[in-house]
Amino acid sequence: QKEVEQNSGPLSVPEGAIASLNCTYSDRGSQSFFWYRQYSGKSPELIMSIYSNGDKEDGRFTAQLNKASQYVSLLIRDSQPSDSATYLCAVRGASKIIFGSGTRLSIRP
Amino acid sequence: NAGVTQTPKFQVLKTGQSMTLQCAQDMNHNSMYWYRQDPGMGLRLIYYSASEGTTDKGEVPNGYNVSRLNKREFSLRLESAAPSQTSVYFCASSVTGTGGWDEQYFGPGTRLTVT
Repeated sequence: QKEVEQNSGPLSVPEGAIASLNCTYSDRGSQSFFWYRQYSGKSPELIMSIYSNGDKEDGRFTAQLNKASQYVSLLIRDSQPSDSATYLCAVRGASKIIFGSGTRLSIRP
Repeated sequence: NAGVTQTPKFQVLKTGQSMTLQCAQDMNHNSMYWYRQDPGMGLRLIYYSASEGTTDKGEVPNGYNVSRLNKREFSLRLESAAPSQTSVYFCASSVTGTGGWDEQYFGPGTRLTVT
């Protein structure tokens, strides 16, 4: 089992809809959770971080964390074509940070 | 603020050649990292430096060496390049929060091909 797992996609979502991206992790001691967006040929860009159970909202983005079930998700409301990218989940445990392989999101007009 | 900068942007090496990838940050971050990214493999940590004067191995350190020159600069050296080192290399930096590592900010990457 990978330490951080994401569905590779592609996830195709119509413009204006909600995109839901999921990530599961294996280390129960994990403390911090991050979502990065990566456009093709570019570097990862931090879009959300979450440290405690529940929801955290920032504009059209909402991160959700459930430590008991060991998953973290990212919701993107009112999806735009510019949201088409690969989304990387990253999880920090006691001594290291692990990135998932990413989910490719495609927003169709 | 330039953030995290990397040089060069592209490089082609022949097997056995050596080179150094340079990274610098102007955000006064204490931690710096080197990752490689291969298709379908995600980001894999090569080396990191939690503070000036310290370096530690990550997940895939073989074939690489690093130097934390000062708080701003962290370089990655390939002593004898191999085709398996063909990849995209990213440098990142972060403020180290209580208990460990926090939000990382990435440079633009170096695309390295070893023939």
